[in-house]
Amino acid sequence: EDQVTQSPEALRLQEGESSSLNCSYTVSGLRGLFWYRQDPGKGPEFLFTLYSAGEEKEKERLKATLTKKESFLHITAPKPEDSATYLCAVQAYGNNRLAFGKGNQVVVIP
Amino acid sequence: GAGVSQTPSNKVTEKGKYVELRCDPISGHTALYWYRQSLGQGPEFLIYFQGTGAADDSGLPNDRFFAVRPEGSVSTLKIQRTERGDSAVYLCASSATGWETQYFGPGTRLLVL
Repeated sequence: EDQVTQSPEALRLQEGESSSLNCSYTVSGLRGLFWYRQDPGKGPEFLFTLYSAGEEKEKERLKATLTKKESFLHITAPKPEDSATYLCAVQAYGNNRLAFGKGNQVVVIP
Repeated sequence: GAGVSQTPSNKVTEKGKYVELRCDPISGHTALYWYRQSLGQGPEFLIYFQGTGAADDSGLPNDRFFAVRPEGSVSTLKIQRTERGDSAVYLCASSATGWETQYFGPGTRLLVL
């Protein structure tokens, strides 16, 4: 069974204080690893897909990286508008479903 | 263009009642997914449609849950004899074919009293 564990569960950052979120996974043949952002009362918003170890993707203050066992979402110089829950999900070869972790709840304080 | 839409946005019902939740995917997307999200948890897979057929319904928790997509576009998730434990946010997602990025709708918040 595909498993995704995200840490820390919750994180409070001062504005400008860079940090990293961890997503550890076990999957029988990784097809893709996905990061989503979810604001309260909203559906998940797609951020990145990573397909192979060593791959990196960036968008504004966010950078996602992938190894064979985990992914990191680096938040550089965060702003209050980066406050959200960040969800990690894996998709295995052979099925189309996403298996999600519980999320990293990030609060950025001005 | 328009994203995934879901109606209603909120639904309150009584234990034992029947409910229907609707999802309108991104135009042209052949793959459609239903997930359920409980408070403090990540979304949990329920069912996946490719076109009109359910390609994977292994996530449906029991036979009170059923979903259809008769014309390969709009989908309806149906829950019979609702229980308090069914209270959650029901999310719908669509993707262009089957392997691409899944784009989510805003969800339907179901509360069973």
